[in-house]
Amino acid sequence: QKEVEQDPGPLSVPEGAIVSLNCTYSNSAFQYFMWYRQYSRKGPELLMYTYSSGNKEDGRFTAQVDKSSKYISLFIRDSQPSDSATYLCAMSALRNRDDKIIFGKGTRLHILP
Amino acid sequence: GAVVSQHPSRVICKSGTSVKIECRSLDFQATTMFWYRQFPKQSLMLMATSNEGSKATYEQGVEKDKFLINHASLTLSTLTVTSAHPEDSSFYICSAPGLGYEQFFGPGTRLTVL
Repeated sequence: QKEVEQDPGPLSVPEGAIVSLNCTYSNSAFQYFMWYRQYSRKGPELLMYTYSSGNKEDGRFTAQVDKSSKYISLFIRDSQPSDSATYLCAMSALRNRDDKIIFGKGTRLHILP
Repeated sequence: GAVVSQHPSRVICKSGTSVKIECRSLDFQATTMFWYRQFPKQSLMLMATSNEGSKATYEQGVEKDKFLINHASLTLSTLTVTSAHPEDSSFYICSAPGLGYEQFFGPGTRLTVL
């Protein structure tokens, strides 16, 4: 079983819809969870990060972590064509700040105008 | 947020030549930087962890002698692809951890080996 599983998509939704992106993981030591957005031929951009379980909201984005189920989600409200990108979940055990991060494969999202 | 730059953004070279890619943390210090490779429509693959003042730590399957990493200062790490071949063509991205443990990524370097 891979440490982080993420459906690669592509996921196509109409503009204005709510988007739900998810990842599952197997390592119970993971404490720090991140979502990155990557546009084509660009470096990943940090969208949100959360520590341990719970929800975090930032504008149209909401990140959820359920450690009991080893499941994390990113919700995008009022989706826009500019949200079309690849979204990567990432996580780390955070024993120290130089710990490497494990990435999911990324989900390609298309918002249809 | 913190800014990480990479240079060059794009490089085309002939097979057999060596290419150096620079990664800089512009407004913060980074004792550790990470180097990733990404093939089209694939996820990031961690190649190595660059440690300031000491040897890099390579992931399994990554050739140390082919991908030379030097982390000479707290703001600069370099990746040199030696004797590059067409199969080394890829998107190379570096990152550095911020104060809050999140990773900040550079814009990437697209390497094309002819």
